[in-house]
Amino acid sequence: SQELEQSPQSLIVQEGKNLTINCTSSKTLYGLYWYKQKYGEGLIFLMMLQKGGEEKSHEKITAKLDEKKQQSSLHITASQPSHAGIYLCGADIIGDYKLSFGAGTTVTVRA
Amino acid sequence: DADVTQTPRNRITKTGKRIMLECSQTKGHDRMYWYRQDPGLGLRLIYYSFDVKDINKGEISDGYSVSRQAQAKFSLSLESAIPNQTALYFCATSDDRGRTDTQYFGPGTRLTVL
Repeated sequence: SQELEQSPQSLIVQEGKNLTINCTSSKTLYGLYWYKQKYGEGLIFLMMLQKGGEEKSHEKITAKLDEKKQQSSLHITASQPSHAGIYLCGADIIGDYKLSFGAGTTVTVRA
Repeated sequence: DADVTQTPRNRITKTGKRIMLECSQTKGHDRMYWYRQDPGLGLRLIYYSFDVKDINKGEISDGYSVSRQAQAKFSLSLESAIPNQTALYFCATSDDRGRTDTQYFGPGTRLTVL
């Protein structure tokens, strides 16, 4: 979707290092979702952010929503091989309960 | 057992053939969706259904049709498959909770049209 831009498109990180992925919307966000996909497999729901300033964490993954910037960031602390995959952000940007998706960020974790 | 299942998981077909992809869910959700995923393009919505009697076109519905046979079943058909419909297809479901309804995805169907 052109409405959601993810950056970077891909990244390689050394195991144990931190990484951050960004998702920026050109329109108002009514809800921001983060998913993880292993290559060729289904999407696994990670987190949903709804309110400006909201921050959620699950294990070593933290997501934040900056309502003013219409942007969300996904931060992984001390990355592990299990964190490798494609991370996609999805958002309800029109308010009609349908999701638009970014193109995804491919994360490679090197031992 | 998986909450959202898709069949088949892989399919190779020829141009002009009619193909049906099936999706079943045990989550009890009213809303179901069909997406396709192409490299570098993310997921694009093909059709969605908010209940059995409500079916709507998404952003790329041309060349596709759907059938909502029951709350738990949502099928996607390619009436006459063409090579640019080669993609990974996902079914998803969500509950009717307004703007907080998280979508849950099936494992995907990899379709190749020769």
